[in-house]
Amino acid sequence: DQQVKQNSPSLSVQEGRISILNCDYTNSMFDYFLWYKKYPAEGPTFLISISSIKDKNEDGRFTVFLNKSAKHLSLHIVPSQPGDSAVYFCAASSRAAGNNRKLIWGLGTSLAVNP
Amino acid sequence: GAGVSQTPSNKVTEKGKYVELRCDPISGHTALYWYRQSLGQGPEFLIYFQGTGAADDSGLPNDRFFAVRPEGSVSTLKIQRTERGDSAVYLCASSLRQGVGNEQFFGPGTRLTVL
Repeated sequence: DQQVKQNSPSLSVQEGRISILNCDYTNSMFDYFLWYKKYPAEGPTFLISISSIKDKNEDGRFTVFLNKSAKHLSLHIVPSQPGDSAVYFCAASSRAAGNNRKLIWGLGTSLAVNP
Repeated sequence: GAGVSQTPSNKVTEKGKYVELRCDPISGHTALYWYRQSLGQGPEFLIYFQGTGAADDSGLPNDRFFAVRPEGSVSTLKIQRTERGDSAVYLCASSLRQGVGNEQFFGPGTRLTVL
């Protein structure tokens, strides 16, 4: 039973355009959400996060939007660059676990940015 | 070191053997997590350490799996009587403190193959 769902296994966009990666969750106890980027043979690298008390967080070309009522978040990358090509994971942690902020992960979306 | 390191990077073993996987977290990070990532999946939580103690080992699949962190720094994940289903990438992450908002930094992982 996937508590964090990334329904698009892959996405292809043109360089310079916007990439939108989507994530849905089912657990209402999740209060912190993160996006990680992963290249082959490397560990995940943190990109951006958002607390459940916010609906938007921006860092350079990356913006994460959170819609709590819909239990949905999205990552926007503008403008997309070929170096952004990687697998993007959505992850969440729950206040129910206290100080243990173990991450619950989606299956990932493979982004290809074409020159 | 600058980041989380894991050794070995690759481990091939035979069914029934014992293996140890090592994680060196970022210096000063008190929280340490182990995750396991199977092909085509997102990482799955195994165990969480706060300091020297295993604060949550609920993700360990069975009693063949055990992990230690005797001095609150380096951690070793130990797998007894390995099975083919244990084949996966084992990821270690550390964070400066426990609790929400503390980003987890990941190592490159150990790819375990059980023949």
